[in-house]
Amino acid sequence: QVQLVESGGGLVKPGGSLRLSCAASGFTFSDYYMSWLRQAPGKGLEWVSYLSGSGTPINYVDSVKGRFTISRDNAKNSLYLQMNSLRPEDTAVYYCARANKERAGWFDPWGQGTLVTVSS
Amino acid sequence: DFVVTQSPDSLAVSLGERATINCKSSQSVLYNSNNKNYLAWYQQKPGQPPKLLLYWASTRESGVPDRFSGSGSGTDFTLTISSLQAEDVAVYYCQQYYSTPYTFGQGTKLEIK
Repeated sequence: QVQLVESGGGLVKPGGSLRLSCAASGFTFSDYYMSWLRQAPGKGLEWVSYLSGSGTPINYVDSVKGRFTISRDNAKNSLYLQMNSLRPEDTAVYYCARANKERAGWFDPWGQGTLVTVSS
Repeated sequence: DFVVTQSPDSLAVSLGERATINCKSSQSVLYNSNNKNYLAWYQQKPGQPPKLLLYWASTRESGVPDRFSGSGSGTDFTLTISSLQAEDVAVYYCQQYYSTPYTFGQGTKLEIK
């Protein structure tokens, strides 16, 4: 079955960096757009970024542009999110999710998430 | 950006009764060239990631019970649970994927009365 497993979350100081990883299995990874989404504690859902199966196009929400970089390694069936210049408002559970083959669209399934806490 | 607003914020419904959640987009998510509404619905239970229920506003994802249905077009949409079951207690979100940034409604918390 399709499975997505995130890792790399943790506690980081404001201005610090973190790299999230998402290991995918159960489907042809390179065929699909993939995305990162996040959910601040007790809050709603926010789309963060997506990239296509080939690696382009890429898109980001404005609040992370210039600070976050999404990437993938199709040989390793893995998705990444490099997060730099982290701010307290980036504190959230970060989810990796599969999108579609033709465009990002809806997200299914989602991983269990990894918690990122930005605090001094 | 497309602003997506859900109503109500919370809802309590008796078991076996109908539950209705509304979702309104600030701009139309109907793509005229294919006549499809770029809107999805998700269910999130406590401690779990969201689960896709519907896409194209009314197409049920495989495995989703047929008591879940979606309707609407353009800017106004509805998620209906025809006969509420105990396992349907969750927060429900709608999401537009017509234009980036993809945006979600604030969520509707559904409880048993």
